[in-house]
Amino acid sequence: NAGVTQTPKFQVLKTGQSMTLQCAQDMNHNSMYWYRQDPGMGLRLIYYSASEGTTDKGEVPNGYNVSRLNKREFSLRLESAAPSQTSVYFCASSASSASYEQYFGPGTRLTVT
Amino acid sequence: DAKTTQPTSMDCAEGRAANLPCNHSTISGNEYVYWYRQIHSQGPQYIIHGLKNNETNEMASLIITEDRKSSTLILPHATLRDTAVYYCIVRAGGTSYGKLTFGQGTILTVHP
Repeated sequence: NAGVTQTPKFQVLKTGQSMTLQCAQDMNHNSMYWYRQDPGMGLRLIYYSASEGTTDKGEVPNGYNVSRLNKREFSLRLESAAPSQTSVYFCASSASSASYEQYFGPGTRLTVT
Repeated sequence: DAKTTQPTSMDCAEGRAANLPCNHSTISGNEYVYWYRQIHSQGPQYIIHGLKNNETNEMASLIITEDRKSSTLILPHATLRDTAVYYCIVRAGGTSYGKLTFGQGTILTVHP
C-alpha cells in the first residue's frame, strides 16, 4: 500500500508557465483534497472532491483548476503560475467528505520565479 | 468549531512517555478531538481521534477528560523520529466537507 503519492516532488517554474500536479491514492477513498502550506500560514484548502465526478472550491481556489480523473486520481493545474503560488502542495484523501481522518501525500515543493 | 490551546513546545527524553496536552473548553457534544503531527518537510500524519472514550492505536493513546474540556495525547515510548509539530483539532462530525484547519500546535523535541 503506497497510500497517497504525489508527483513531482520538486518543481521550479517561471512566471506564466503552466503545470499539473498529480496525486493518486490506493486506499479506495471517496474524497480527495488539495492543500497548500506556506510558512506561518498553516494548511489552506484549495479544492476538494467529495466523490468521483464532483469537485468544489475550497478557501483559496483562484489560479488553480482540478480534475478528478477517476476514483484514484486527483490533479491540480496551475494555468499561469505566479510567484504568489510558491508553496508546498499537499494532496490528501479520506474515506468520505465528512471525515477528518485524512491521509496526506509527501508534498510537492513548487517555486515560481 | 471549538478553539484549542496547546503549549508552544515540549521536550521529552527518548524512551520516555510524551504527554501532550490540549485544552478545548468550549467543545460541543458532537465535536470530536483529532490529533495530527507533521514531521519536518513531510505531509501531515493522522494519529488518532476520539469523542469521549479513551482511545488507543498502534501509534498513541488519547485520554479525554470526563467533562471533555481537555485531552492528552500520549506517545508511550518516544523516539527521535517522533520529533514533530503536534496538532490538536476539534471538529464536528457530519459537516459538509472535511476541511482541516491546523493551529500553531506543539513542537515536540525528543532528546537522546
